[in-house]
Amino acid sequence: DAGVTQSPTHLIKTRGQQVTLRCSPKSGHDTVSWYQQALGQGPQFIFQYYEEEERQRGNFPDRFSGHQFPNYSSELNVNALLLGDSALYLCASSWGQGNTEAFFGQGTRLTVV
Amino acid sequence: KQEVTQIPAALSVPEGENLVLNCSFTDSAIYNLQWFRQDPGKGLTSLLLIQSSQREQTSGRLNASLDKSSGRSTLYIAASQPGDSATYLCAVTSGTYKYIFGTGTRLKVLA
Repeated sequence: DAGVTQSPTHLIKTRGQQVTLRCSPKSGHDTVSWYQQALGQGPQFIFQYYEEEERQRGNFPDRFSGHQFPNYSSELNVNALLLGDSALYLCASSWGQGNTEAFFGQGTRLTVV
Repeated sequence: KQEVTQIPAALSVPEGENLVLNCSFTDSAIYNLQWFRQDPGKGLTSLLLIQSSQREQTSGRLNASLDKSSGRSTLYIAASQPGDSATYLCAVTSGTYKYIFGTGTRLKVLA
């Protein structure tokens, strides 16, 4: 079992550009959540996808959008990048609609210059 | 609004010491509380998950307790080793499915 896999591991973008991050959930999981972790902070919830729909969203602007595919993998898109978007982006997968345990990937380190 | 606080923010101890990390939360209506370990620049590794009906969980040298009524959890690490050096994060889940994290405790175990 490969666990939760994220790509790429590192990324450098320029202000104003757009970026897409990818996540493949753990085998058997159908729910994907995305978190943003700034340096020295705890992860902050961005949104969660279940059955290809956004089920819940945190306090992030519309520049942050996502998608879930029929195979349960997911993408996080960020438009009009700001310097403040520099962070570690973590994907977590879980099963079903309840508060089941989530498993986290290794993250994508995004640097905006 | 649920808020999670971790004390201390940083801790440095000599190898072999037993230590306690603290986590507090403001709303006792939680489903789970989970402790994670994070190495620098890496993802999260789950250490222990305590369901709301449980009082504690143990794994090897780690023991986590949960007191919902007081809004507190502790992570006890026995006989600390340099390999335990990392950031330890506490997170709770409630009816909204998402994890709410504390800001972590940075632990350094000196050889």
